[in-house]
Amino acid sequence: NAGVTQTPKFRVLKTGQSMTLLCAQDMNHEYMYWYRQDPGMGLRLIHYSVGEGTTAKGEVPDGYNVSRLKKQNFLLGLESAAPSQTSVYFCASSPGTGRPPHYGYTFGSGTRLTVV
Amino acid sequence: QQQVKQSPQSLIVQKGGISIINCAYENTAFDYFPWYQQFPGKGPALLIAIRPDVSEKKEGRFTISFNKSAKQFSLHIMDSQPGDSATYFCAASMAGTASKLTFGTGTRLQVTL
Repeated sequence: NAGVTQTPKFRVLKTGQSMTLLCAQDMNHEYMYWYRQDPGMGLRLIHYSVGEGTTAKGEVPDGYNVSRLKKQNFLLGLESAAPSQTSVYFCASSPGTGRPPHYGYTFGSGTRLTVV
Repeated sequence: QQQVKQSPQSLIVQKGGISIINCAYENTAFDYFPWYQQFPGKGPALLIAIRPDVSEKKEGRFTISFNKSAKQFSLHIMDSQPGDSATYFCAASMAGTASKLTFGTGTRLQVTL
């Protein structure tokens, strides 16, 4: 099925470890995003990309890095994990152009990360 | 700084009742207001959206009411069903910002029998 695929679905890290979350979309969308979801705080934008080879910071970028080497993939990296990064991470993609409904996001099913 | 404020945090409605979730925004440059529905263990999914040039949009049992002067918008779910039990997020976006969405904090809706 077409959509956004996130791997892994679950992960437990020790403080200081590093990891990469992978997001892949097969809808030929231009824009991709990484959000984190925490109880009572909604979804907050970490980083985003408006096209292959481009990335930009969102609302809460500290402690994260991203790369978009291919249009269909958007990687989120944690160089040195901290307990404050325990969260559910969602990737989303958007066509990027045109009036709504083209603005509509397609979300992945999330990665639940626990940092101990 | 929370640009989109959502209330209530949780809501319990009986089957057949009307569920109402409210959002208020601060930035008058916002020009697109979607609502997302999220079931446990899933990612959010676009439910319905509105632009500020209309005051109401209806899709089936779901209606967005928009009050531009008050900078408020709300989601009404008519004839609420147990299958509507989910977390609902309002959001806002503005042109020229890479379609970035600013989300509210979410409302957990429970529809009881």
